[in-house]
Amino acid sequence: EDQVTQSPEALRLQEGESSSLNCSYTVSGLRGLFWYRQDPGKGPEFLFTLYSAGEEKEKERLKATLTKKESFLHITAPKPEDSATYLCAVRASGTSYDKVIFGPGTSLSVIP
Amino acid sequence: DGGITQSPKYLFRKEGQNVTLSCEQNLNHDAMYWYRQDPGQGLRLIYYSQIVNDFQKGDIAEGYSVSREKKESFPLTVTSAQKNPTAFYLCASSIVAYTGELFFGEGSRLTVL
Repeated sequence: EDQVTQSPEALRLQEGESSSLNCSYTVSGLRGLFWYRQDPGKGPEFLFTLYSAGEEKEKERLKATLTKKESFLHITAPKPEDSATYLCAVRASGTSYDKVIFGPGTSLSVIP
Repeated sequence: DGGITQSPKYLFRKEGQNVTLSCEQNLNHDAMYWYRQDPGQGLRLIYYSQIVNDFQKGDIAEGYSVSREKKESFPLTVTSAQKNPTAFYLCASSIVAYTGELFFGEGSRLTVL
């Protein structure tokens, strides 16, 4: 069964304390992995797309990496405004159409 | 500015009532989607549409209906047949179908009283 899991469920960091969020997936035929940021009560905002193992993407304090079984979202020297829920999604080839499967998210809190 | 507009932001419904959530986009995107978000779960696809006058069921379509009469609009009706409708509903669009690069609206929170 195609599945996407994220860990930890919640993460609390001090401002400036770097860390990583994990997204693990078991899908048949990966056709892309996507990271989103979601603020409370808002819709998700697209951050990155990764297609193949070894690929990396960066945006400000965020860097996303991809292996054959998981992706990491590295947060370097986070600031309070980085507090949000980070969602991971994968696009997997299906029998009749490609499916986009979302993980449950990691809730990040950055304390000043 | 281009984007997706969902309304209403908050909606309360009595049991047995149908309600319709509005979704309008001015991004000129072909594909549009409706997702449901519940605490602790990933977004789940309700319906999607690749093109005007065409739409397909997603993973949890039971108790929901949609229409796509215009490229810009993709309203979702939550019917009385939906057993557990209280949730956060998200509308999204993409340039083409079957991509994970989605643009989301601000969401509509439906509460059944």
